[in-house]
Amino acid sequence: GENVEQHPSTLSVQEGDSAVIKCTYSDSASNYFPWYKQELGKGPQLIIDIRSNVGEKKDQRIAVTLNKTAKHFSLHITETQPEDSAVYFCAARGSTLGRLYFGRGTQLTVWP
Amino acid sequence: AAGVIQSPRHLIKEKRETATLKCYPIPRHDTVYWYQQGPGQDPQFLISFYEKMQSDKGSIPDRFSAQQFSDYHSELNMSSLELGDSALYFCASSKMGDSGYEQYFGPGTRLTVT
Repeated sequence: GENVEQHPSTLSVQEGDSAVIKCTYSDSASNYFPWYKQELGKGPQLIIDIRSNVGEKKDQRIAVTLNKTAKHFSLHITETQPEDSAVYFCAARGSTLGRLYFGRGTQLTVWP
Repeated sequence: AAGVIQSPRHLIKEKRETATLKCYPIPRHDTVYWYQQGPGQDPQFLISFYEKMQSDKGSIPDRFSAQQFSDYHSELNMSSLELGDSALYFCASSKMGDSGYEQYFGPGTRLTVT
């Protein structure tokens, strides 16, 4: 099956700085890559996603890039705010059946 | 906008007891996924249903079973509970008609087995 690796496991930034989280995947058939934000005691919230036919997607302060050749995708958050503090998970969708394979998560802390 | 509803939100059971978790997908979504998340871990896929038929099966113990009903809600039945079953259980829903890519997660059920 698919194997998704995520780095770093923890990330601390000052408010206003940028944050970058990187993921790699193993299955070249994977075609969809969502990012989820999970706050303590809550369910994962879909914040942005990208499909394999697109190289980059942006939504306000959040952007995702995909390099299919390298099997690598990244989440970029600009102008970070304390409310961005949470655990972020990357995931890959490996087949038409739809199950998601998750990375191990990144605990992002934004200091005011 | 309507979200995925899960009940109960918290459940405490003893070893060897049974538990039933319920999931109500977003209206007009036809696919339901169940995930298990241990403390400090990433969600692990258990099972999914599309149009009331099992569509995929992951690392779900034989002690667990699930189904999707005619109104598209789903139930996860867990028997002979073990201490290791203590975890957060999430349900996610999607609409295959829209290519079924986006999965929206519910708030989860926290199961504690004592």
